Amino acid sequence: GDSVTQMEGPVTLSEEAFLTINCTYTATGYPSLFWYVQYPGEGLQLLLKATKADDKGSNKGFEATYRKETTSFHLEKGSVQVSDSAVYFCALSKPGGFKTIFGAGTRLFVKA
Amino acid sequence: EAGVTQFPSHSVIEKGQTVTLRCDPISGHDNLYWYRRVMGKEIKFLLHFVKESKQDESGMPNNRFLAERTGGTYSTLKVQPAELEDSGVYFCASSDLSSYNEQFFGPGTRLTVL
Repeated sequence: GDSVTQMEGPVTLSEEAFLTINCTYTATGYPSLFWYVQYPGEGLQLLLKATKADDKGSNKGFEATYRKETTSFHLEKGSVQVSDSAVYFCALSKPGGFKTIFGAGTRLFVKA
Repeated sequence: EAGVTQFPSHSVIEKGQTVTLRCDPISGHDNLYWYRRVMGKEIKFLLHFVKESKQDESGMPNNRFLAERTGGTYSTLKVQPAELEDSGVYFCASSDLSSYNEQFFGPGTRLTVL
């Protein structure tokens, strides 16, 4: 069945460091891919999305590119801030299907 | 525009008791979903309503879980009787019929069964 695998955390970085959180997926058809973020004490928020191969989603300095050849959607940010500390979830959904399938989540800690 | 709201934010109950979680979707959103995250694992789909009808309940773990959405507005998820393994965070999400790929999530209800 369809699934999402993302790197285990926690990931601890110093402020201004480069961030990569790896995400790969298994799915039939043409899924849309998402990154959601959960800040402490808050709900899940959509961070960015891509709906077809080679699309790049971006928001708040974060980017991820839909790579169909490697079935990947890695999240990157060039310079993290303390306020980026949160749990990040990679996810997919498909046209005509209503479920969102999530990875296990990666907790990011950014130290000042 | 108000987002998805969930009540309560936390619930601590004893094994064997009953708990009811409530979700209020974004006004006008006909799609409503329940998910849960257990023990730091992935967030898993439980079920999907379109208005008041259950479209997909394939993720409901067993018959101790009952979801309703009377009138097609808010939804409740009842767990009766609760077991230890039901502990986790229960998320609700909603979307409109034209953009079902993008779902808006609530803050979640953290359920602890002792």
